[in-house]
This record gives sequence, structure tokens and C-alpha cells, in this order.
Amino acid sequence: GAGVSQSPSNKVTEKGKDVELRCDPISGHTALYWYRQSLGQGLEFLIYFQGNSAPDKSGLPSDRFSAERTGGSVSTLTIQRTQQEDSAVYLCASSSDYLSTDTQYFGPGTRLTVL
Amino acid sequence: AQTVTQSQPEMSVQEAETVTLSCTYDTSENNYYLFWYKQPPSRQMILVIRQEAYKQQNATENRFSVNFQKAAKSFSLKISDSQLGDTAMYFCASSSGTYKYIFGTGTRLKVLA
Repeated sequence: GAGVSQSPSNKVTEKGKDVELRCDPISGHTALYWYRQSLGQGLEFLIYFQGNSAPDKSGLPSDRFSAERTGGSVSTLTIQRTQQEDSAVYLCASSSDYLSTDTQYFGPGTRLTVL
Repeated sequence: AQTVTQSQPEMSVQEAETVTLSCTYDTSENNYYLFWYKQPPSRQMILVIRQEAYKQQNATENRFSVNFQKAAKSFSLKISDSQLGDTAMYFCASSSGTYKYIFGTGTRLKVLA
């Protein structure tokens, strides 16, 4: 079946504007993850959704960041009042279950540039 | 706390040669999993290989194999018969006890024609 998809592929915005990034996980995958990848860095965990459970938001860097997952499928990551340091690639991943043994499958990411 | 360290920011290899990428990790868990992901310029992270810590046998996937040294907490990736399409960033990751993956900072591999 189709893999994880993300939109938009690239987003350029002005400082102070809000942005929404979308993730469509693999059909049937109950777990969904958001990561941030800054230039030259590894992946930084942001948030995790599993089924109908409360999400783990421990990785969100500030209260300007929020995410939701509707109907246990599509997820939206929202960044309010964007800052230049928010510029990064935002990656979404999904897995079939919540276990750490389950392989995470990644989308192609959204490259966010804040001017 | 879990950590994953990749000490080689960049490497290069001639086409058809063999290259080894290093990764060390630290965890207090007994049961954990290790992964190598490849990220080509397209940005899509692709799973290359995974290793269950309780398995002594090193994982192999075609031209990719790992050297898993549990006592030394080392998990290196060997790429044999390197191809131009192997040019990418390679990330080592671990997961233990929770759903969170801990990633290293990556090694940029360039395969030279």
C-alpha cells in the first residue's frame, strides 16, 4: 500500500505567521510520530500519538507547537507565530503498534523555512 | 538516559568498495532494538537494517550487514560493493522500553564513481 505522505513538501513563511503541516500515515497504522530535523542534526522527537490514548507531547519545544490527530489517522502539526529557529525539516512516521520493536516508516518530510 | 553516537560526520568510498559506518550507544535496558536508516537527498528516511539485542547473530540485508558488539555497545554498518545510489545520510537509532527512537547525528556517505 501507499507509504506515509506529508504536505506541503516545502513551506516558506514569514516570521510571526502560523503554519500547518499535514501527515497521512500508512493505512492501519495506529502509532504516529512527529520529528524535527535541523540542519546537520539528528532527529528530535516532538510528539507521539497512539490510537485514542492521550498523546505524548514531551518533545514539543514550546507552547507555540501543537498537533492533533483526527479519527486516528491524519495528523496536523501547527506552529504558531513562527520564528526563524523553527526552520527545519519536519518528519512524520507511523508504525503498526506502539511497541518499540515496531519499525517506524517515515514520510518525505516538510521543509519549513521561516524568513 | 539513552544516547546514540555517530563519530564520523562524513565518509567517502569508491564505487564497488566496502565501507563501515560506526555507531555506539548507551542504554540500561536489557531488551532493545537497533536500526540503521538511510536518508537520501529526497529526505525520505528508509530503514536499511534492524537488529534485536537478544539475537547474537548479526543482521544482514543483501549488501548491508551489521557488526553488533553487545558488550561494547557498538553497532556498525558495513556496506559491501558500494553503489552510487548508496550516497546518503545514514542514521543509527535505538529503541528500548518505549516507543521513542533515539537517533545519532548521522554520517554523510558519498560514493565516488
